[in-house]
Amino acid sequence: DAGVTQSPTHLIKTRGQQVTLRCSPKSGHDTVSWYQQALGQGPQFIFQYYEEEERQRGNFPDRFSGHQFPNYSSELNVNALLLGDSALYLCASSPSLGAEQYFGPGTRLTVT
Amino acid sequence: QKEVEQNSGPLSVPEGAIASLNCTYSDRGSQSFFWYRQYSGKSPELIMSIYSNGDKEDGRFTAQLNKASQYVSLLIRDSQPSDSATYLCAVNFGNEKLTFGTGTRLTIIP
Repeated sequence: DAGVTQSPTHLIKTRGQQVTLRCSPKSGHDTVSWYQQALGQGPQFIFQYYEEEERQRGNFPDRFSGHQFPNYSSELNVNALLLGDSALYLCASSPSLGAEQYFGPGTRLTVT
Repeated sequence: QKEVEQNSGPLSVPEGAIASLNCTYSDRGSQSFFWYRQYSGKSPELIMSIYSNGDKEDGRFTAQLNKASQYVSLLIRDSQPSDSATYLCAVNFGNEKLTFGTGTRLTIIP
């Protein structure tokens, strides 16, 4: 049973560029949440998708957007990258809203 | 502002001893509480969840919840060097997202 998968593992982008990160949830899970984790900090909630709709959103600007597909996989898009967007981006899936969340391996984004 | 507080550590514990990790949260109405373990350079791994007052045991791990005091803890018995990691406390404040503390770095000394 495959767990949560994310791609790519690492990414280096230049300030001002755009990036797309991808996530496939654990089998049987229909809810996907995205988090940003800066070095030495706990993960910060970006948004959550359920039934292809954004259900919750954290305190992130509109440069951060997402999508959930019919197969429950999800994408996180970040436009106009800033140096401060450098972080570990984590995807977590859960079998339903409010249930335990399981994290993927993350995507390490570096903005230069 | 709903917050989760943890002592950042580092917490050093001799091998074989009990490690005690603590977490406080700001909203007495919170329903779900989680402990994640994160090794350096890796993603968080769920190790315990607790939903009601009292203790919940799973192997060497025991989670303790006191909603009146807004306090949740994690005990690790017979600590092993492989337990050395950062432990993240997370709370679902009823809005279906997780709010994390900054984590406590635990080092088990052989």
